[in-house]
Amino acid sequence: TQLLEQSPQFLSIQEGENLTVYCNSSSVFSSLQWYRQEPGEGPVLLVTVVTGGEVKKLKRLTFQFGDARKDSSLHITAAQPGDTGLYLCAGVGFVEYGNKLVFGAGTILRVKS
Amino acid sequence: DAGVIQSPRHEVTEMGQEVTLRCKPISGHDYLFWYRQTMMRGLELLIYFNNNVPIDDSGMPEDRFSAKMPNASFSTLKIQPSEPRDSAVYFCASSPARNAEAFFGQGTRLTVV
Repeated sequence: TQLLEQSPQFLSIQEGENLTVYCNSSSVFSSLQWYRQEPGEGPVLLVTVVTGGEVKKLKRLTFQFGDARKDSSLHITAAQPGDTGLYLCAGVGFVEYGNKLVFGAGTILRVKS
Repeated sequence: DAGVIQSPRHEVTEMGQEVTLRCKPISGHDYLFWYRQTMMRGLELLIYFNNNVPIDDSGMPEDRFSAKMPNASFSTLKIQPSEPRDSAVYFCASSPARNAEAFFGQGTRLTVV
């Protein structure tokens, strides 16, 4: 069982569509990071959210941290083929994991042109 | 800065052979992490160092795995003897602080046949 559950596991959409991916846990995070990983590369940080209820925007990407700091979502508006990749959330502050950064399994996104 | 540099990019070896993966972190980063990524288990933290000292190796799967960091600019992950189930992509990452942004290398794709 993953400490961080990401959904959906796979998502294939057409260019121009909107989408939302989710990151959920039964534990509270002190902060949460979102990474994107392209094939053959390592993950690259997109954003860090820290405060419950926080919303951050990065161009067409909107990140939200749940009020209780147990969940987060990533919304992409008008998806582009360049958005294709593996989206990973990583939680910080899990005492049971020694306060280490713990990654979810990820959502594989494919945007077709 | 060139980022985190890993070598080799690809490694194919026979079962039972010793494998050594190498990492050069970003200069000035005090933390170095070794991760393993597979489809089944996602991104798993194997071990991390702070100022060249191993802090937490609870993620190292077996005694066949060992990691060293002889100085601030170099780390190795060794598998001896290797087994087919060790096949995965191994990432090295460095960070200026434990739960700050992790900067990943491009990974080493290991195949044990």
